[in-house]
Amino acid sequence: SAVISQKPSRDICQRGTSLTIQCQVDSQVTMMFWYRQQPGQSLTLIATANQGSEATYESGFVIDKFPISRPNLTFSTLTVSNMSPEDSSIYLCSVPPKGLNYGYTFGSGTRLTVV
Amino acid sequence: AQSVTQPDIHITVSEGASLELRCNYSYGATPYLFWYVQSPGQGLQLLLKYFSGDTLVQGIKGFEAEFKRSQSSFNLRKPSVHWSDAAEYFCAVALMDSSYKLIFGSGTRLLVRP
Repeated sequence: SAVISQKPSRDICQRGTSLTIQCQVDSQVTMMFWYRQQPGQSLTLIATANQGSEATYESGFVIDKFPISRPNLTFSTLTVSNMSPEDSSIYLCSVPPKGLNYGYTFGSGTRLTVV
Repeated sequence: AQSVTQPDIHITVSEGASLELRCNYSYGATPYLFWYVQSPGQGLQLLLKYFSGDTLVQGIKGFEAEFKRSQSSFNLRKPSVHWSDAAEYFCAVALMDSSYKLIFGSGTRLLVRP
């Protein structure tokens, strides 16, 4: 299965600022997914990042707040903009399996605290 | 809309006892089903998955799950729980349309009594 390098692993940010999270995959993938995991909650899909097109956002998430870039088939970034304490969460990227013998691969996550 | 339901928020079992975590899904087509585990402060680890074939699937750490189409369920089981199994367990369904989105249930927190 694919290997994902995600960074930063954690950060503490001031409200009103922005943070960009990066995910690098060791192989080319068509789709990358971005998730948010709020404290004590499950994973919620933010958006699907496709190379060469605009990201597709889920209900409740907008591009102005969570802009995504996908410059090539191995890399994506998620920016959390104009942060507030409610944005304190773990953010994870993921890629679908290469075949039916594999599961979805996840980055190690970025633990964001907004103060 | 597609959804995954884990009706038990918390489950507490004694070490050595058997375990069953429930998962129900709502999806029009044959789903691709997963169980992931997340230990405190850790990332997600795949326990097992089902796409087709034998409806009883074996996973890592002694876990198994059974797909029951008639009940739209994919319950996770373990015959004898170890203290190290204490964690959050997530059931997930992959949409086998062009989106390939992975939708998670709300999770079940497993506590293990010594």
